[in-house]
Formats: sequence, structure tokens, C-alpha cells
Amino acid sequence: NAGVTQTPKFRVLKTGQSMTLLCAQDMNHEYMYWYRQDPGMGLRLIHYSVGEGTTAKGEVPDGYNVSRLKKQNFLLGLESAAPSQTSVYFCASSYSGVFSYNEQFFGPGTRLTVL
Amino acid sequence: DAKTTQPNSMESNEEEPVHLPCNHSTISGTDYIHWYRQLPSQGPEYVIHGLTSNVNNRMASLAIAEDRKSSTLILHRATLRDAAVYYCILSLASGSRLTFGEGTQLTVNP
Repeated sequence: NAGVTQTPKFRVLKTGQSMTLLCAQDMNHEYMYWYRQDPGMGLRLIHYSVGEGTTAKGEVPDGYNVSRLKKQNFLLGLESAAPSQTSVYFCASSYSGVFSYNEQFFGPGTRLTVL
Repeated sequence: DAKTTQPNSMESNEEEPVHLPCNHSTISGTDYIHWYRQLPSQGPEYVIHGLTSNVNNRMASLAIAEDRKSSTLILHRATLRDAAVYYCILSLASGSRLTFGEGTQLTVNP
């Protein structure tokens, strides 16, 4: 199993450009998440999804949109990139069992620089 | 979510035990204590979790105070590969929303 994969690994954008980050998981997990991590800080939740076709806002959703059209994929979009969105973006997924512990599995991250 | 307090950094020597503390004085009765770690240039990975009783797994042990206002992650024999940022997080068992603080940067000296 590949686990959680993220595409691309690195990207440089100019202010105002748009892009989409792709997250894919092969563990049949219901829940998926997008976090950002700024230098020297912990991760902050941007958006998350509890199932195909559903998304919800996290702690820092402004400037981002997400879509979960397929269970295995979770897309994060930046419509008009700003320098403040320079960060490392991590995707994660977890199972949704009610009677089990649902640890989150993280991808390797996407390093995004907005000039 | 209830907040946790961890030291910014700790140092250990290789093959010695490491005790990483976490204070969570406002923990609620339904909060689980989760520990994740983040190796350099990688995404976080799950380490261990617990509710009231001490827990052991292949990676570490979790000691929880009787009043649950603090906990300690124990690495029994630190290796160089254990050098990472360790995050103590409170959340419901499902872990659907994890709030990461700044964590403790653990340095392991050879």
C-alpha cells in the first residue's frame, strides 16, 4: 500500500496564480484532512471531509477550497495565491470506526512558495 | 479544545530513557491524550494514545497522572531516529480534529 500520497512535492507560484494540490489514499478511509505548517509551528487544520461529497471548514479555511468527489481523493485549491499561503501542506486520512481508535495517517507534504 | 503545554525542547543521550512531559490541566472527561511525532522533513506519525490508564506499545509508553492533568511519553531507549518534534494533543477518540501545538523538539545525542 502506498498510504497517503501528495502531488506535487514542490511548487512555486506567483501572487494571484491558482493551483490544486492532490491527496490520494489507498486505505479506504472515510475521513481526510488538509493541514498547513508554517516554519517553527505546529500543523493547523484547513478543511476536512468525513466522507465522499462532504467537506467542512477547519481552523484556517480562508483562501482555500476543497473537493472530495471520490472517496480516495481530496483536493485542495488555491484560487488566487498570496505570499501568506507560503507553507508546507500536509494531507492526512483516517478510518471512521465508532468503536476503534482512528489514528491519522499523513502524507509527505507539499512545499509551496508564493512569490 | 483543551490546551496542552509542553517544553519547547529536550535533549537525551542515545540508548537512555526519555521522559517527555505534557500538562493539560483543563482536560475534560471525554478527552483522549494523543501523541504524534514529526521526523525532519516528514509528515507527523502516530505514536500512542490513552484515556485514563497507562499504555504501552512497540514505540513508547504513556503514563497518565491520576487526575489526568498531565501525562508523560516515555521512550525507553532513545535512538538517533527518535530525534523529532513530539506533539501532545487532546481530542475525542476518533481524532477527527487534531489541534497541534508547537510540540517538543527532542534532540538525541550519540
